[in-house]
Amino acid sequence: GAVVSQHPSWVICKSGTSVKIECRSLDFQATTMFWYRQFPKQSLMLMATSNEGSKATYEQGVEKDKFLINHASLTLSTLTVTSAHPEDSSFYICSARGQTGIGYRYNEQFFGPGTRLTVL
Amino acid sequence: GENVEQHPSTLSVQEGDSAVIKCTYSDSASNYFPWYKQELGKGPQLIIDIRSNVGEKKDQRIAVTLNKTAKHFSLHITETQPEDSAVYFCAARGSQAGTALIFGKGTTLSVSS
Repeated sequence: GAVVSQHPSWVICKSGTSVKIECRSLDFQATTMFWYRQFPKQSLMLMATSNEGSKATYEQGVEKDKFLINHASLTLSTLTVTSAHPEDSSFYICSARGQTGIGYRYNEQFFGPGTRLTVL
Repeated sequence: GENVEQHPSTLSVQEGDSAVIKCTYSDSASNYFPWYKQELGKGPQLIIDIRSNVGEKKDQRIAVTLNKTAKHFSLHITETQPEDSAVYFCAARGSQAGTALIFGKGTTLSVSS
């Protein structure tokens, strides 16, 4: 199956600093990428949807100036948490969807392993 | 937008028993319903999925059923094993291009030996 990687797997930063998380589709071209946030013992909450070369669409309540998303290529999307605060500490998970084709069923959405962000 | 409800939030069974998790969705246009298993500190892993043109799908010990009229779908795990213990999420997605999966709140399944 298709593989999605995230880097870093965990990061600890000081309050007020910015953190960048990378999401890569390793063996397919991701026309659409999604970013989710998951707090402890809670579900995955969609933050934003991005299509390659276009501006991301953010869900209601997600600050686009705080969570900067870039989807500059078909294999890479980045999420930058700007001026991070302790309440931004969470598990961030990206997901990628490629074009329907051989080996991919019905625009299946593939998930990365997640990035644990801790803001001190 | 889509809203997915999932029950129960926790489920404890004995090894060898069956486990059933149920979900309902709100958007009648949704046409794709996957189930994910998530272990602590890891991303969700797809275990089975079903499309709206199918009523039931089975893969070894795991099966999913879909009732489009009632807008609910269920995950059935038979002959549970301790390694089945994890958090399970259902999800639904609408038919529009670019639509993301919307998740239920999750079910923590504990299988005791």
